[in-house]
Amino acid sequence: DQQVKQNSPSLSVQEGRISILNCDYTNSMFDYFLWYKKYPAEGPTFLISISSIKDKNEDGRFTVFLNKSAKHLSLHIVPSQPGDSAVYFCAASAGGTYKYIFGTGTRLKVLA
Amino acid sequence: NAGVMQNPRHLVRRRGQEARLRCSPMKGHSHVYWYRQLPEEGLKFMVYLQKENIIDESGMPKERFSAEFPKEGPSILRIQQVVRGDSAAYFCASSPGGGPNEKLFFGSGTQLSVL
Repeated sequence: DQQVKQNSPSLSVQEGRISILNCDYTNSMFDYFLWYKKYPAEGPTFLISISSIKDKNEDGRFTVFLNKSAKHLSLHIVPSQPGDSAVYFCAASAGGTYKYIFGTGTRLKVLA
Repeated sequence: NAGVMQNPRHLVRRRGQEARLRCSPMKGHSHVYWYRQLPEEGLKFMVYLQKENIIDESGMPKERFSAEFPKEGPSILRIQQVVRGDSAAYFCASSPGGGPNEKLFFGSGTQLSVL
């Protein structure tokens, strides 16, 4: 039972353009969401998070949007840079628990 | 390097052998979490430990797997009598506290290959 789904295994974007990574979830109890970035041979690195009381959170080039009614969140990267090429994981939790549920990841490739 | 340290990076075992994975949390962190990533899947929670205590092992397989975080030394994830299905990347994470919505800091993982 995949409660957090990232339906696009891969995405290619030109440098300077916007990258949009999507994530859907099924559990309406989820109230905290995170994005992690992972380079090959490294562990996931925290990127940005959002609480369910918000619908948008921004940090530099990264913005996460949350649509609770659609159970959907997205990560926007503007402008995309070659160094952003990595696997991006969406994760969710309910009630402040540490048991984050991760999606399967989207591999982003930013073309120079 | 003050990050989460995991060793070994790669571990090869034959079926039936034991695997021991080590994790030293970030300095100042007393909470450790183990996650497993099977091929083509997301990371899945296995166990949450504090020093000398297992807080939640609900994600651990019932047999062959155990974890500890002793008063001194690293956290150890132990897999006895490994099988091919245990082949995966095992990630350790740590956090400074166990409060709500704690940000987890991950190590680089141990890639376990069972022949």
